[in-house]
Amino acid sequence: GENVEQHPSTLSVQEGDSAVIKCTYSDSASNYFPWYKQELGKGPQLIIDIRSNVGEKKDQRIAVTLNKTAKHFSLHITETQPEDSAVYFCAASSIRRALTFGSGTRLQVQP
Amino acid sequence: NAGVTQTPKFQVLKTGQSMTLQCAQDMNHNSMYWYRQDPGMGLRLIYYSASEGTTDKGEVPNGYNVSRLNKREFSLRLESAAPSQTSVYFCASRGQENTGELFFGEGSRLTVL
Repeated sequence: GENVEQHPSTLSVQEGDSAVIKCTYSDSASNYFPWYKQELGKGPQLIIDIRSNVGEKKDQRIAVTLNKTAKHFSLHITETQPEDSAVYFCAASSIRRALTFGSGTRLQVQP
Repeated sequence: NAGVTQTPKFQVLKTGQSMTLQCAQDMNHNSMYWYRQDPGMGLRLIYYSASEGTTDKGEVPNGYNVSRLNKREFSLRLESAAPSQTSVYFCASRGQENTGELFFGEGSRLTVL
């Protein structure tokens, strides 16, 4: 089955700095790579996703890059703000396989 | 629109007791999922239902059963709860199987003593 590894498990940055979270996946058939943000006491919410026919996607301060050859993808958050503090999950799936999630990254943005 | 609604939000059980977690979605989605979330392990898929009338095992199905009652509702049953099933359970739904945005409920925190 699919195996998704996520690093780091915790990340602390100063407000205004950038944050980068990295994931690798094992199944070359995976073609959909979303990122979810989970705030305390809530369910995860989709913040950005990318499909395998695209190398990079941006949405305001967040961006995701995908390297299919190396089987890794990354989340980049620029100009971090205290409200970016949360747990972030990467995930991967294919048309035949439900989403497999990474183990999560707890991001703390220090004011 | 309520989205995905889970009940109960909190439950404490004794070992060997049974219970059912309820989930309903009002987005007319075909696919529904049950995940469990444990510290340091992310979200692991227990069971899913690609469409009304079908269910399939996920990564960690042992000790659980599911029922897709209709298009809106997908329940998760613990027949004989064990301490290893202490976790936060999330129900989710999406319009298309395996791709597209997954919408999550707010979770059900279950403690088995």
